[in-house]
Amino acid sequence: DQQVKQNSPSLSVQEGRISILNCDYTNSMFDYFLWYKKYPAEGPTFLISISSIKDKNEDGRFTVFLNKSAKHLSLHIVPSQPGDSAVYFCAASGETASGTYKYIFGTGTRLKVLA
Amino acid sequence: DAGVTQSPTHLIKTRGQHVTLRCSPISGHKSVSWYQQVLGQGPQFIFQYYEKEERGRGNFPDRFSARQFPNYSSELNVNALLLGDSALYLCASSETSGLYNEQFFGPGTRLTVL
Repeated sequence: DQQVKQNSPSLSVQEGRISILNCDYTNSMFDYFLWYKKYPAEGPTFLISISSIKDKNEDGRFTVFLNKSAKHLSLHIVPSQPGDSAVYFCAASGETASGTYKYIFGTGTRLKVLA
Repeated sequence: DAGVTQSPTHLIKTRGQHVTLRCSPISGHKSVSWYQQVLGQGPQFIFQYYEKEERGRGNFPDRFSARQFPNYSSELNVNALLLGDSALYLCASSETSGLYNEQFFGPGTRLTVL
């Protein structure tokens, strides 16, 4: 079962406008959420994270919002730039009942920023 | 400083063979995690190791195993390869294990099983 879902496989946005990428999760055990960006032929690069005790975290042009009751998080990029064109993954991590850790990634959203 | 390095970059094997993939973490990082990414999907968590001990395991069969060495480098072993094992295998390192850790990914090893 897909515990972390990114329902939009692709998104196109005009340069300078806001990009909003969405992610939903199903498991209440998740305590920490991250966004990664991936260019072709490279590994994912960490962008921004948020713990479950917060509802917003901001870093420059990137802001992540977490709605725990809805089990939903979103990444806002303002203003969008052509260099932001990449695949974006959301990821969730949590501790299992046996004390080990689990990391679940979504399927990704391909963002294209049009000049 | 060097990032996470993985070897080899590409690998072609046939069904039933065994493969070993290698990863060197960022200097000072003591935790290594392995992920499998098939085309069109996100990375799937296979293992996490910290201080040579397994700290996390995803839903993969026993054909998959890993270990971490005293210098914190790691190997991922896959036995009895299946066609479905064809994927990009990513290694990520972090300073410690646990939830609140940023993971730094290597470029991956592309495994093709024929």
